[in-house]
Amino acid sequence: EPEVTQTPSHQVTQMGQEVILRCVPISNHLYFYWYRQILGQKVEFLVSFYNNEISEKSEIFDDQFSVERPDGSNFTLKIRSTKLEDSAMYFCASRGNRGANTEAFFGQGTRLTVV
Amino acid sequence: AQSVTQLGSHVSVSEGALVLLRCNYSSSVPPYLFWYVQYPNQGLQLLLKYTSAATLVKGINGFEAEFKKSETSFHLTKPSAHMSDAAEYFCAVSGDSGYSTLTFGKGTMLLVSP
Repeated sequence: EPEVTQTPSHQVTQMGQEVILRCVPISNHLYFYWYRQILGQKVEFLVSFYNNEISEKSEIFDDQFSVERPDGSNFTLKIRSTKLEDSAMYFCASRGNRGANTEAFFGQGTRLTVV
Repeated sequence: AQSVTQLGSHVSVSEGALVLLRCNYSSSVPPYLFWYVQYPNQGLQLLLKYTSAATLVKGINGFEAEFKKSETSFHLTKPSAHMSDAAEYFCAVSGDSGYSTLTFGKGTMLLVSP
């Protein structure tokens, strides 16, 4: 069964360092997303990506965040200079089409801890 | 803007008992509603979804949910809990975004005791 895979499963980084979270979406999907969940809080939308560009982003997704699809299979989230409050579980998701009734398939998440 | 409220961060039931996880939503457009489950160390897996075809929706693992527009609710139920149902459950809504982003509730942890 096709699945979304994320690496690493856990990442510990020092404040101010750059981190790259990696995702391999389902191969024939076209719409890609990053969400995050700070411990004890809601899963929050960060950004959606289609046709090699950002299609939507939330207020959380500020200039320290960036996404790209460097090689047609990986989908990455980069945090330029991490802060303590970036500690969270980050989920990647992909969809076959943009219909609101279409299931989003999620990866198992990357737990980012900023110390 | 859309929002989801899940009542109860933790719900405890005995094995064999009814499971009821509550979800209320707010949406300015006809919503599409989803329940996702997260087992320990795994990703979010779709349990079921409401897409306006039928108000009572059946999902995997014996779960079902009923869409009630008048109550703006989409509660998740299962007649008889199993130990393997212990997990975190997320209700989500989409529909008002061009790229169908999901708005999630805070999640409810289901604990099942023998």
